Amino acid sequence: QVELVQSGAEVKKPGASVKVSCKASGYTFSSYGISWVRQAPGQGLEWMGWISADNGNTNYAQKLQGRVTMTTDTSTSTAYMELRSLRSDDTAVYYCARGGENDYRDYWGQGTLVTVSS
Amino acid sequence: DIVMTQSPDSLAVSLGERATINCKSSQSVLYSSDNKNYLAWYQQKPGQPPKLLIYWASTRESGVPDRFSGSGSGTDFTLTISSLQAEDVALYYCHQYYSTPYTFGQGTKLEIK
Repeated sequence: QVELVQSGAEVKKPGASVKVSCKASGYTFSSYGISWVRQAPGQGLEWMGWISADNGNTNYAQKLQGRVTMTTDTSTSTAYMELRSLRSDDTAVYYCARGGENDYRDYWGQGTLVTVSS
Repeated sequence: DIVMTQSPDSLAVSLGERATINCKSSQSVLYSSDNKNYLAWYQQKPGQPPKLLIYWASTRESGVPDRFSGSGSGTDFTLTISSLQAEDVALYYCHQYYSTPYTFGQGTKLEIK
């Protein structure tokens, strides 16, 4: 069965960076893109971008350009999302989900809470 | 950016009754070359990730009860729960994957009356 397992909760100070991992299993990793979606406390869902697990192509949300990098390691079927220059409004649960370009997101990770606080 | 607007923001329905949630996109999400609407519906319960219910506007995901159905085309879409069950209490989101940035509606909170 398809499963996406994310790394644990993080607490960071403003200006720091965070890197969240997402390990996939149960399907051919390179056949699907991986998207990242975040949800601030009590708020809705915000798409951050996606990466092709086949060729590494990426597409990031304009508002995060320059601060976010998505990568994959096909040898371990793991996707990563790094967010730099963290601000308090980056506090959110970060989800990875299977599904890339012009595709729905069908399977989701359990979420990783990133708290940015001084 | 395509703006997704859901209505209502919250909804209270009696058990066994029909629940209807609407979603309007600021531009069409129907791709003419394949005649598909790039629109999905998700259910989210507290402390859980979103769960895919419907994709291509009307295709039910495997394992989703058949009381859930999606309809609509172009810019106007509807999620219908034909007979509300207690376990359907949740937030519901529509989502367009037609063009980036992919966007979500603001969510509709469904409760029992």
